[in-house]
Amino acid sequence: GAVVSQHPSWVICKSGTSVKIECRSLDFQATTMFWYRQFPKQSLMLMATSNEGSKATYEQGVEKDKFLINHASLTLSTLTVTSAHPEDSSFYICSARSAGGNNEQFFGPGTRLTVL
Amino acid sequence: AQSVSQHNHHVILSEAASLELGCNYSYGGTVNLFWYVQYPGQHLQLLLKYFSGDPLVKGIKGFEAEFIKSKFSFNLRKPSVQWSDTAEYFCAVNPDTGRRALTFGSGTRLQVQP
Repeated sequence: GAVVSQHPSWVICKSGTSVKIECRSLDFQATTMFWYRQFPKQSLMLMATSNEGSKATYEQGVEKDKFLINHASLTLSTLTVTSAHPEDSSFYICSARSAGGNNEQFFGPGTRLTVL
Repeated sequence: AQSVSQHNHHVILSEAASLELGCNYSYGGTVNLFWYVQYPGQHLQLLLKYFSGDPLVKGIKGFEAEFIKSKFSFNLRKPSVQWSDTAEYFCAVNPDTGRRALTFGSGTRLQVQP
């Protein structure tokens, strides 16, 4: 099946720094990637939809200047958490939808961000 | 906007017991329906999906789900659970048109006791 990777798998950073998370589709081209956030013992909440070559569409309440998303190629999307604060600590998960496929999304393993 | 409700937040079963997890959605149009499982410390894995056709869908590891359009439901079932089924289960939907982002339910934590 289709494989999606995320890097890093976990990161610890100091408050005020920026962190970049990569999401890659390894064996297919993804015109659309989605970024979700999952708090402990809670469900996944969609943060933004990322389309290759265009600006991301953010969900209501998600600050686009804080969570910068770049989808520069059909296999790579990045999420940069700028000026991270402890409340940004969470599990960030990406998913990718293939260019020629059906409605199935393939999920990455997630990135656990801890901001001290 | 669509929404997904999972009524059981925490289910505890003994091995060999039967399982049914409820999932209801609200959306007036055609939807695609999914069940995902998240084992402790692991990422989401697709259990099964429904796009069209036979409303009884069979997935991996002996799971199945039935789409009942009139009830806006997509309940997950397994006749006999195992200890290894202990995990968090998420129901998700997305409309057949539009941005095709998934809307997830709140999840059900299943604990199977040996």
